[in-house]
Amino acid sequence: EMQLVESGGGLVQPGGSLRLSCAASGFTFSTYSFNWVRQAPGKGLEWIAYIRRGTSVLYYADSVKGRFTISRDDAINSLFLQMNSLRNEDTAMYFCTRDEGTAGGMDVWGRGTTVTVSS
Amino acid sequence: SYVLTQPPSVSVAPGETARITCGGNKFGSKSVHWYQQKPGQAPVLVICCDNDRPSGIPERISGSNSGNTATLTISRVEAGDEAAYYCHVWDYSSNHHVFGGGTKLTVL
Repeated sequence: EMQLVESGGGLVQPGGSLRLSCAASGFTFSTYSFNWVRQAPGKGLEWIAYIRRGTSVLYYADSVKGRFTISRDDAINSLFLQMNSLRNEDTAMYFCTRDEGTAGGMDVWGRGTTVTVSS
Repeated sequence: SYVLTQPPSVSVAPGETARITCGGNKFGSKSVHWYQQKPGQAPVLVICCDNDRPSGIPERISGSNSGNTATLTISRVEAGDEAAYYCHVWDYSSNHHVFGGGTKLTVL
């Protein structure tokens, strides 16, 4: 069964940092691109970061550019999101997703991990 | 930045047909994808690439894309179809994924 499992969420103060992880199983991790997508409480989906397979191509939403860094380790089938300078508005459920390519959809989603930024 | 516009809500009686629209500029050149999200759950891809159904998605669910509007159609609506639905495209000009604001489907 193809699976993505996020971890690393929690409560952090404004200005703080957090590192999210996403462990993949059931498919060949290195052959896919991935995203992080977040959802603030009661709100819609917001894409925030993308990493392409096999290359160092990275894209970020304007809302997180310069503060968040997406990375991957194909040796351990894992995706990461380093979040720095966190703000109250970063409070959300964070999902990792498998990307079927620029013309495809996000066909596998994790259950998400919750990040709460509050003093 | 590229914007996708969805109606906030759609209501339909059981057995009827629900149509959820997604508006965007020059849609015809983009592949549109649709996700279903039930409360407390992760989104699920229900339509890929305008009108392809992933394995396990019922034939009652279909998609179309023409001009500046994409449409998700759910025929013979059931209580279990009640959920939020999001459209999504890849914007080649900005290299960003873009989601619509979401539509809450209510089954009366």
